Amino acid sequence: QKEVEQNSGPLSVPEGAIASLNCTYSDRGSQSFFWYRQYSGKSPELIMFIYSNGDKEDGRFTAQLNKASQYVSLLIRDSQPSDSATYLCAVRRSGGYQKVTFGIGTKLQVIP
Amino acid sequence: DADVTQTPRNRITKTGKRIMLECSQTKGHDRMYWYRQDPGLGLRLIYYSFDVKDINKGEISDGYSVSRQAQAKFSLSLESAIPNQTALYFCATSGAQGGPTGDTQYFGPGTRLTVL
Repeated sequence: QKEVEQNSGPLSVPEGAIASLNCTYSDRGSQSFFWYRQYSGKSPELIMFIYSNGDKEDGRFTAQLNKASQYVSLLIRDSQPSDSATYLCAVRRSGGYQKVTFGIGTKLQVIP
Repeated sequence: DADVTQTPRNRITKTGKRIMLECSQTKGHDRMYWYRQDPGLGLRLIYYSFDVKDINKGEISDGYSVSRQAQAKFSLSLESAIPNQTALYFCATSGAQGGPTGDTQYFGPGTRLTVL
């Protein structure tokens, strides 16, 4: 079982719709969860992090965390063509230095 | 100016050649990392360093070596490049702060390396 699992996609949504990106993780000791956006050929850039169960909103983005189900998601409201990118989920255990483990990413395509 | 820079941005080389990729940062972070990214495999950690005297192997360090010349500089070497080292290489930095957002990774622009 992979430490961090994401469907590679592509996930296609029409412009203006809600895009829902999902991530599951295997280590119950995981504490921190990050979403990165990566445009083709570019470097990952941090969008959001979350570490408490529930929802965290930042503009059009909402991160959702359910530690009991070992599940984290990213919702993008009012999707725009400029949101078309690969979204990487990253997970970190608690305590001292713990490496960050990345999923393979989900490719999102927003259709105009 | 970018906080994390990498040189070169693109490199084509031949099997057996020695290659060095360089990374510099102005974020003032102590921790630096080298990752490679391959389609379908995601980002994998090669080496990481907490300071000039602290260097650690990641999950795929075979065939690679690193040097931390200063707090702001971390270089990756391929002593004898082979075709399966063709990949996109990223340098990243993080601060040493504790708490749930500690070690948040900030990435450089990447180096696309092709080994023929």
